[in-house]
Order: sequence, then C-alpha cells, then structure tokens
Amino acid sequence: QVQLVQSGAEVKKPGASVKVSCKASGYTFTNYDINWVRQATGQGLEWMGWMNPDSGSTGYAQKFQGRVTMTRNTSVTTAYMELSSLRSEDTAVYYCARSGTQRDGMDVWGQGTTVTVSS
Amino acid sequence: DIQMTQSPSSLSASVGDRVTITCRASQSISRYLNWYQQKPGKAPRLLIYAASSLQSGVPSRFTGSGSGTDYTLTISSLQPEDFATYYCQQSYSSPWTFGQGTKVEIK
Repeated sequence: QVQLVQSGAEVKKPGASVKVSCKASGYTFTNYDINWVRQATGQGLEWMGWMNPDSGSTGYAQKFQGRVTMTRNTSVTTAYMELSSLRSEDTAVYYCARSGTQRDGMDVWGQGTTVTVSS
Repeated sequence: DIQMTQSPSSLSASVGDRVTITCRASQSISRYLNWYQQKPGKAPRLLIYAASSLQSGVPSRFTGSGSGTDYTLTISSLQPEDFATYYCQQSYSSPWTFGQGTKVEIK
C-alpha cells in the first residue's frame, strides 16, 4: 500500500540540527512532491516547504529560509528534512506528506516525528 | 502570505446533526482549497481537494463548496467518528497556509 514512514523521535539541544527521514513505498517516488508540515503541541498545522523528488527542486516558507534543507535519495525512495539552529519553539511533530498537482492536496501523510528541543 | 480564517473555532454537535465550517481567505484562491480532518495523536487526513472534490475513500456525507475567498465544509449527518479537528488549507500560492482549525466536539 501507499505509505510514508518517518524516522523516530529526536531530542536535541538548542543550536543543534535535526534530520528527519521519510521513506516512500507503494508508488513511484518521483511522481509526487513531498511536503513538510509541523505541529506544535496543541497548535495548528504549519507548512514548511516542498521538494520535487524527481528534479530535487525545493521551495521553502520564508520563515524557514536559511534554516531548512529538503533533500532526497531516489535509490532508497527517501526524503529528508534537516532543520538547523534549533530553538525551543521548534519543538513539534514534523510530518511529511505527498502531493500531486497544485490542486490535489496532500493525500498521503507520514506518521509524524516528534522533535524535542531542550537544554 | 495568504491568511486563512476558519469559523467557528469550535462547535458542539450531536450525532446526526448537519455541521458547517467556513473558511475565508485573505484574497481570492481560485478554488485551490483543501480540507483535512485530524484526530488526536494522528496525522491529518485529506477529505476534500480543489474546494469540492471528494478524496477517494471519504464518505459522501462530507461536501465542500465555495469560490473566490469563501469556502465551506459540510457534514450532512455527523457520525461518532467525525468528532475531530478540521483544517482548511490553500495551495494557490506559496507559502501554503492553513486555517487555525475547527474542533468538533460531542454535545
């Protein structure tokens, strides 16, 4: 079945970086964009950016420009999101989600990865 | 950035009720509007895309409508499994943005 499986929970100190993986299966990895969305505890959803696994093109929300890097390894059908210079406000659940065309919405989601930033 | 405003922020309803959630964009988004359902501890689930298209596998009691800046999600007859938080999201322009969510609770 079509699924995205994310890496496990992370605990990081302020100023460190975290890299979350998202392994795709059940579909052609390069045919769909991968988006990253985060959610702080009790808060709403926040879109961070997207990556096209075929070309490697990316687009980041201004808020995360300079701190986020989205990459992929097509040989293992895995997308990655690295966030640097972590601060306590980055504590959240991070989701990867697949999208097709601009009108399609994000139709398949990973299970989420909890990132805790604490000294 | 396009601001998405949902109303109400929360509502209480009974099984069988008709429920309507609205979403207003700060500018026209040409029906690039999606709706998601999220239950506690779970990832969001896509319900409606392109304002009114029902995602595969989603019950037909969920309908979406709207155009321009104003959109609506309607649940025709609320079921026990529908108690959740609902989010609208625009994909018209980057950055994609979400509404703040509407929590549907049991009355």
